[in-house]
Order: sequence, then structure tokens, then C-alpha cells
Amino acid sequence: QSVLTQPPSVSGAPGQRVTISCTGSSSNIGAGYDVHWYQQLPGTAPKLLIYENINRPSGVPDRFSGSKSGTSASLAITGLRADDEADYYCQSYDSGLSGSRVFGGGTKLTVL
Amino acid sequence: EVQLVQSGAEVKKPGESLKISCEGSGYGFTGYWIGWVRQMPGKGLEWMGIIYPADSDTRYSPSFRGQVSISADKSISTAYLQWSSLKASDTAMYYCARLDSTFFYFDYWGQGTLVTVSS
Repeated sequence: QSVLTQPPSVSGAPGQRVTISCTGSSSNIGAGYDVHWYQQLPGTAPKLLIYENINRPSGVPDRFSGSKSGTSASLAITGLRADDEADYYCQSYDSGLSGSRVFGGGTKLTVL
Repeated sequence: EVQLVQSGAEVKKPGESLKISCEGSGYGFTGYWIGWVRQMPGKGLEWMGIIYPADSDTRYSPSFRGQVSISADKSISTAYLQWSSLKASDTAMYYCARLDSTFFYFDYWGQGTLVTVSS
């Protein structure tokens, strides 16, 4: 059971917009800690996609955007492409017993 | 260019010991925390612990404290993850990753080391 909750899967057709939610609690996202997102393409290491809720590292297309409100955060992907098919993970900091850096369970994005 | 290069895949028997490595290059190795992340087959990411190579200050996730040992040798820009007695349940991909300067997210990742524990 992950400290941060994500839907196991989402899907969308090429060109569409999808969102992935990440729900936490008062000891992590709700406490004001930032949310970060990683993309893991099949058979590869995770890659930083969004940091500090809304920021994109150099080289990440602006089709990817993040937001945060209250105890939740979201990753939005617009103009869906076949090569966006991957697992996406949110991550934050938790001040409770879970041991600081916590990940969501991951969401598998399928491009139909 | 920042790079984290991990040691190769390992196949071990239950009860054996193991130490895997992660060599950093392209940045000041002692100035950033390095973390280890486990990914069991078909599962998600789990944070195991972090180390600050400058002074070997180490923090463990409660889930992994006592199960593994994290260390670093700053003279060769390398961090390590070690087991004294492997179990079949340790079978997983292990990633090292650099914590950014704000200390909160992982900005660069190694390619992963697959550890298989089987009798």
C-alpha cells in the first residue's frame, strides 16, 4: 500500500489529453511538500518529468504539465503520442513514519 | 554530463552476500546525496535510503533499515548497496539516483542493477 495513491491505469487515443492523479495526506502533499513526477518507459530507468509540482527539466516537452492542490496533485499529458506509453510515478516527502521520500504506486498509461 | 553508472546484473543464492555499486561522474560527487530505489518484478518504485558521500551521513527508509547497508567511497565517486544474507524476496531491479540540491527529488538515475536470488 503506497503512501501516495495513483490510479493503476489510464488510457487515451493519440492526440487526446489524459490526466493522472496522485492523492496524499496531511503528512505529505497536504503539509505543503512538493510533488515530483517520473516517467519510466518500458525496460528503462525512471526519468524526472516534472519537479516541484509544475516545473519541467530541460528537454521535457510542454505537452507535460503538473499541478497541485490541497492533498492531491495531477500530471496532464496533451497531444498524446504512442511513445508516451509508459509508467508514471509521483513522489513527495512525508513527515510521518513512512520514511521521508515516498512514491505513488505508479500509473500505466496506454495509448490506444 | 551527469552520469550514474551501476554495476552489472547479479545472480546469487539465498544466504549469500552482495555489494552493488553506483559510480557518479560529471558533477561534484561529494556535494549531492545519492539514493537507492528498489523495483520488484512488475511493481512500483520504493525508496530504500540515501547517503551523503562527503561524510557518509546515511538515512534509511523504515522498511529497509536493518535489511541493507548503504555506503560510499568518495575517493572513487562510488556509492554502494550491500546485503549480508540475501533472500529470494530481494530479487529486484535496484536503481541509484542523485538527489537534487534541494534534497527532495531525484534528478538523475543510474541504469539499474538486476539482482536475482534463487536456489
